[in-house]
Amino acid sequence: DTEVTQTPKHLVMGMTNKKSLKCEQHMGHRAMYWYKQKAKKPPELMFVYSYEKLSINESVPSRFSPECPNSSLLNLHLHALQPEDSALYLCASSQLGASGRNEQYFGPGTRLTVT
Amino acid sequence: DQQVKQNSPSLSVQEGRISILNCDYTNSMFDYFLWYKKYPAEGPTFLISISSIKDKNEDGRFTVFLNKSAKHLSLHIVPSQPGDSAVYFCAASGSSNTGKLIFGQGTTLQVKP
Repeated sequence: DTEVTQTPKHLVMGMTNKKSLKCEQHMGHRAMYWYKQKAKKPPELMFVYSYEKLSINESVPSRFSPECPNSSLLNLHLHALQPEDSALYLCASSQLGASGRNEQYFGPGTRLTVT
Repeated sequence: DQQVKQNSPSLSVQEGRISILNCDYTNSMFDYFLWYKKYPAEGPTFLISISSIKDKNEDGRFTVFLNKSAKHLSLHIVPSQPGDSAVYFCAASGSSNTGKLIFGQGTTLQVKP
């Protein structure tokens, strides 16, 4: 099973709203990721969690707040977003190990529109 | 500074023929390379990977070739099928194993029936 699930599939929110994106994996992976993807561009890394600890924050604005409640779940809390934050938000997971292998498995994404 | 480059934004191939997608990289510390396929409005799907200690990895219709001296990799799809039409991203990671992948800009493959 290489499934990563994400909810909701679509989200429309105003600039003053607070919402959360959710991600879940049951592959026993100990690394989880949030990416942002704009049309016709590659995925852009936002955050990496390793063993439920935040290990990489790619200088993401504080209006995006990640959370890893346990090894299977990853949330992205959104507050006071801007219209330019509209994008496809992707969650991914992978094993971690000394081998350097890093096959990341992606969820279907949440299509976010900020109005 | 783009460390992973896919210089062809698009490629069109006839069904049944070979599709060859290319990727170049500049960072000699990269030691693991991956190819992903992406349909519109979906997440990328992992296709195939290769370690820097190998020069070829094959999985069904998909073969990845790595030329370390040229810092070049390619994905061969044989035979190509209309369902292969998608955007293909190559990605690379380094020996530090931070989990960070560096993606190329993508190549849109169209396979014509």
